[in-house]
Amino acid sequence: GNSVTQMEGPVTLSEEAFLTINCTYTATGYPSLFWYVQYPGEGLQLLLKATKADDKGSNKGFEATYRKETTSFHLEKGSVQVSDSAVYFCALANYGQNFVFGPGTRLSVLP
Amino acid sequence: EAGVVQSPRYKIIEKKQPVAFWCNPISGHNTLYWYRQNLGQGPELLIRYENEEAVDDSQLPKDRFSAERLKGVDSTLKIQPAELGDSAVYLCASSSTGPETQYFGPGTRLLVL
Repeated sequence: GNSVTQMEGPVTLSEEAFLTINCTYTATGYPSLFWYVQYPGEGLQLLLKATKADDKGSNKGFEATYRKETTSFHLEKGSVQVSDSAVYFCALANYGQNFVFGPGTRLSVLP
Repeated sequence: EAGVVQSPRYKIIEKKQPVAFWCNPISGHNTLYWYRQNLGQGPELLIRYENEEAVDDSQLPKDRFSAERLKGVDSTLKIQPAELGDSAVYLCASSSTGPETQYFGPGTRLLVL
């Protein structure tokens, strides 16, 4: 079946540090890949997505590249801000199927 | 545009009591999802509606959970009776063009004592 694995948190960084949150997946076929973010007290929001191999999703300074050869979709940001503190979820969806979410990685950015 | 609305935001009940959660999706969204999110885990789908029809309820524990979506708009998820292990956040989401564009509500945090 489909599954998503993320690096365990919490991740604590200083403001302006470089961020990487690892995500790997197992799936049949060619899934679409997503990163969702959940800010404190709010619902999940789509951060970025990629629908085919080698696609790069980007939004708000975050990027992730769909790597089929390594079945990965790592999230990166060059310079994090305090406002980026949240829980980040990697997810996949095959065509016509439901989402499978990873366990989430909590990020805390200190001023 | 209003987002997905859920109520209540928090609920504390004793085990064996019933509980219900309500969701109002974004206007015009035909697809509605209920997820359960356990502490430290990602959301897991419980049930998916296309209009008023439940098209995927394979993960819904039918002995104690039930859901309905009357008139294909609002939806209610019920647990009766609740167990300690039901403590979790229950998320509702809606979409108009498939799961890739689903919008999530803030969730209902349930604590069963």
